[in-house]
Amino acid sequence: TQLLEQSPQFLSIQEGENLTVYCNSSSVFSSLQWYRQEPGEGPVLLVTVVTGGEVKKLKRLTFQFGDARKDSSLHITAAQPGDTGLYLCAGRIQGAQKLVFGQGTRLTINP
Amino acid sequence: GAVVSQHPSRVICKSGTSVKIECRSLDFQATTMFWYRQFPKQSLMLMATSNEGSKATYEQGVEKDKFLINHASLTLSTLTVTSAHPEDSSFYICSARGQDRGVGDAEAFFGQGTRLTVV
Repeated sequence: TQLLEQSPQFLSIQEGENLTVYCNSSSVFSSLQWYRQEPGEGPVLLVTVVTGGEVKKLKRLTFQFGDARKDSSLHITAAQPGDTGLYLCAGRIQGAQKLVFGQGTRLTINP
Repeated sequence: GAVVSQHPSRVICKSGTSVKIECRSLDFQATTMFWYRQFPKQSLMLMATSNEGSKATYEQGVEKDKFLINHASLTLSTLTVTSAHPEDSSFYICSARGQDRGVGDAEAFFGQGTRLTVV
C-alpha cells in the first residue's frame, strides 16, 4: 500500500491553464516537501511546509498543507511549458528519518 | 538550498564488476544520507538510510551485500554496486540531510543522480 497517494499521476494541459496536484495520506506528517525533477537529474526542492493549514507561494505555484497535516496540494496558475516535469511530494512522519514519496505527477504543458 | 554533489553522473560497466558512486554534501554536514533507486517514469524508491559512523539501514528487499553503503564522514557517503548485472542498471540518487535545528525538520537535498548501465 502507498503511504502517500499522489494524483493525478499524469497530466497534460495547454499553456495558460491552471492545475492542482494532490497528495493524501492517512498518516500525519511533521513536514512535507514538494520537489520537481527534470529527466536525468535529481529532484530539486521547491518548498517545505511544516504547519497545519500553512500556505506558501512561489511565483505561480501555491502550496498548501492540510490542517491535520495529512495532505497537501500544489496549484499552478497559468501554466507555462517551462513547468513541464515530474513533481514529487514527500513527507516525513514524526520521529522518522526517511521521507515517504508519492508516486509523482508527470506534468506536460503544451504550447 | 544546500548543495549535494553526486559523482559520476553516468557510468557504464561490464557485468560482474563493481561500481562506486559518491555523494558529497558541499556546504553542510550531513548527519543522514539516503540512497534511492528510480526506474523510468516512476517515483523514487528508498534503498537505504545511513547515519555517519554507523551501519546503514536497508529497506526490505534490498541486498546489503550487493549494495554496500559507507558513510565515513559528515560530508561523504558512497554506494558500491558489487558484481553488477544488467538488471542493476538504473538511476541512483542520493540525498543528504543535516541536523535538525529544533525548528521544523531539517530538509533533504538531492544529488544530481547517477545513470548506471551494466552491459
